[in-house]
Amino acid sequence: DIQMTQSPSSLSASVGDRVIITCQASQDIRKYLNWYQQKPGKAPKLLIYDASNLETGVPSRFTGGGSGTDFTFNITSLQPEDFATYYCQQYHDLPLTFGGGSKVETK
Amino acid sequence: EEQLVESGGGLIQPGRSLRLSCTVSGFTFGDYAMHWVRQAPGKGLEWVSGITSDGGIQGYADSVQGRFIISRDNAKNSLFLQMSGLRAEDTALYYCARDVSVRITMIVGWGQGTLVTVSS
Repeated sequence: DIQMTQSPSSLSASVGDRVIITCQASQDIRKYLNWYQQKPGKAPKLLIYDASNLETGVPSRFTGGGSGTDFTFNITSLQPEDFATYYCQQYHDLPLTFGGGSKVETK
Repeated sequence: EEQLVESGGGLIQPGRSLRLSCTVSGFTFGDYAMHWVRQAPGKGLEWVSGITSDGGIQGYADSVQGRFIISRDNAKNSLFLQMSGLRAEDTALYYCARDVSVRITMIVGWGQGTLVTVSS
């Protein structure tokens, strides 16, 4: 199975900060990598697909990049509604696998 | 409006079986692959199983392979997860979820989840 390693597992940030989360795959997954946001008590929401494509309706402050085994997720200017947990997910192979999550908390 | 409604969760003893169901509306069920994703209390997301739009391909997490079976009834807009040999570590909120395509790729629609608690 492909293992997805996210870091950091948590971070503290302030509104307006730039946030960067990384996700490393245990093998080459090309660009088959998605990013989700989950808020407490809510189902996750797809933000970015195929490593760098913004899902419809998602603000442009969210960006993604990378290919192969190393990926990044950025929030260029953190907004109050962005405090949440973020997950990467690969679909290069079955079983699909998620990263362990990165919780963005208020500083 | 797209809706996915899970049912069938509850308190179940270790070793027993349970069948989850998901009934959908608001989209053409037979056009999309479907998934079950779970989340243990206070933990991250774990993909459990997925099935292609025609039911021809199923995938499972290693943790449930051989114990869980996913199926679908496109005529009844329904997805199922038959769970057997349940263990304490299967305790989680189970989400029914829709893929963006006919294949198992990414998840764009989610239910609210049904809670499964495995305990004696």
